[in-house]
Amino acid sequence: NAGVTQTPKFRVLKTGQSMTLLCAQDMNHEYMYWYRQDPGMGLRLIHYSVGEGTTAKGEVPDGYNVSRLKKQNFLLGLESAAPSQTSVYFCASKLTAYTNEQFFGPGTRLTVL
Amino acid sequence: QQQVKQSPQSLIVQKGGISIINCAYENTAFDYFPWYQQFPGKGPALLIAIRPDVSEKKEGRFTISFNKSAKQFSLHIMDSQPGDSATYFCAASSGGSNYKLTFGKGTLLTVNP
Repeated sequence: NAGVTQTPKFRVLKTGQSMTLLCAQDMNHEYMYWYRQDPGMGLRLIHYSVGEGTTAKGEVPDGYNVSRLKKQNFLLGLESAAPSQTSVYFCASKLTAYTNEQFFGPGTRLTVL
Repeated sequence: QQQVKQSPQSLIVQKGGISIINCAYENTAFDYFPWYQQFPGKGPALLIAIRPDVSEKKEGRFTISFNKSAKQFSLHIMDSQPGDSATYFCAASSGGSNYKLTFGKGTLLTVNP
């Protein structure tokens, strides 16, 4: 039982490049989330999904897209990376709408030059 | 609009001392208040949580105190240890938003030996 895993762990992009971050969970969780963590800003919700095939915007969705084609995977895409997207990205999941604990992955550190 | 305000930003405590981190919230619909602990290079992990029907919850050396009328809650770490050195995030959520978490900005705790 690996829990929540994220790929890659580190990535450096040039401005304008695109990339996809992969989150996978093996706990059969319905809900999945993408957060970004910046110094002094806490964790801010980018997008989330309440089930396979559904996605919704969070607090800071601009510049990101997501897809949840399979229940266990949640992808975060950056179509045209900007230096302001330099951050640490965390994926999280939870079992259902009525459970509270979110389980976090180890994070992806992204630098956009 | 920051819905959960956390203080202090950083805290230095001697081994054996008491660490206290405070949070205040604005949304009276919030009904779940967790604290997450994050070690460097790791994702956050749930430490302890409380619902507003109780004023205090204790788990080992960690205690949440909750003041519904003041819309404040705090984390107390008794007999603080160097291994407690981490970043702590308070958060809040409500059933009306499917328990999406709103995080405070975090407190970096350093416990000196």
